Amino acid sequence: NAGVTQTPKFRILKIGQSMTLQCAQDMNHNYMYWYRQDPGMGLKLIYYSVGAGITDKGEVPNGYNVSRSTTEDFPLRLELAAPSQTSVYFCASSYELNTEAFFGQGTRLTVV
Amino acid sequence: DAKTTQPNSMESNEEEPVHLPCNHSTISGTDYIHWYRQLPSQGPEYVIHGLTSNVNNRMASLAIAEDRKSSTLILHRATLRDAAVYYCILRDDFNFGNEKLTFGTGTRLTIIP
Repeated sequence: NAGVTQTPKFRILKIGQSMTLQCAQDMNHNYMYWYRQDPGMGLKLIYYSVGAGITDKGEVPNGYNVSRSTTEDFPLRLELAAPSQTSVYFCASSYELNTEAFFGQGTRLTVV
Repeated sequence: DAKTTQPNSMESNEEEPVHLPCNHSTISGTDYIHWYRQLPSQGPEYVIHGLTSNVNNRMASLAIAEDRKSSTLILHRATLRDAAVYYCILRDDFNFGNEKLTFGTGTRLTIIP
């Protein structure tokens, strides 16, 4: 039981490049979330999903896309990376709304 | 969405109890009160949650006011490892379409050796 696994842990992108941040959970959780956290700031919700095939926007979705083709995986796609997307990205999952949410260790992304 | 208000920062001495307050005056009857914390350079971790009654677990206790407009997270004996940002969050279990898990600014807890 690995919990929530995020890959990669670190990445440097050039402006205009694209990449996918991977998030996988092995707990059969229905709910999955993507956050970004800028230095010294709180977590901002980017996208979330309540189950396979269902996704919805959070507080800061612009510049990102997600998909949820399986219960286990919730990848976050960055198209045309910009310096403003330099941040630490966290993925989380929970079984139901009012159960414990588990977080991954984060992906530190730098766009130069 | 019901909002929460927390102090920006607090300090406490090591090995003493810590009481972290949270105000949620617009809480609805179906809102659960959740607490998470984020240690430096780590992702958030769940601490505790409750609806009406006080709750205890191995990490902390949650004291909920009778009118539910405020709650307090209690760390019984703070250690240096408890230095973190603590977030108080409301989650409505019955409001479909409101499945977001959003974080405010939290309380930064400093433990003084």
